[in-house]
Amino acid sequence: GNSVTQMEGPVTLSEEAFLTINCTYTATGYPSLFWYVQYPGEGLQLLLKATKADDKGSNKGFEATYRKETTSFHLEKGSVQVSDSAVYFCALRHTGNQFYFGTGTSLTVIP
Amino acid sequence: SAVISQKPSRDICQRGTSLTIQCQVDSQVTMMFWYRQQPGQSLTLIATANQGSEATYESGFVIDKFPISRPNLTFSTLTVSNMSPEDSSIYLCSAERTSGSSTDTQYFGPGTRLTVL
Repeated sequence: GNSVTQMEGPVTLSEEAFLTINCTYTATGYPSLFWYVQYPGEGLQLLLKATKADDKGSNKGFEATYRKETTSFHLEKGSVQVSDSAVYFCALRHTGNQFYFGTGTSLTVIP
Repeated sequence: SAVISQKPSRDICQRGTSLTIQCQVDSQVTMMFWYRQQPGQSLTLIATANQGSEATYESGFVIDKFPISRPNLTFSTLTVSNMSPEDSSIYLCSAERTSGSSTDTQYFGPGTRLTVL
């Protein structure tokens, strides 16, 4: 079946530190992969996505590369800011309605 | 993109009662969905809200418990019926403009935080 496994949190980093949030997936075929972010008190927002192998999604300094050989889509940012504090969700999708979300990783960035 | 609002943003309800959650999109969308996010867990799709026909429910969710309406292309409601404490969750509405391709992005509302006593 389809599933997403995310690195467990919470993660606490100092400002300007390097961020990696691991995400691996199990799926048949060639799903699209997404990272969503949920800021406190808000709904999920699309952060970035990649629709085929070796694609790199990027937005707001965040990047993730679709690695089919390792079935991974790890989220990275070179220098985090306090404003990046949020919960990050990795997700996959095949054709059709169903998104499969990871459990979310809470990130807190301290000044 | 699409801007999605939900009402209420939160509620505290008594066991056995029902709550209707409204979802409004700022423009016409093809697809609308309802998700549940239980404490400490990921999002689970409840159903697809179909305009002009009955909603399509995922395994484990039934119409009697979660009736859904979608009267037009910008609005949907989800009712949580005969509530129990196990229904305490965040309920999220989402929408997308196209037809469910794997590359499509879903846009989410801010969620409704429901607590059942």
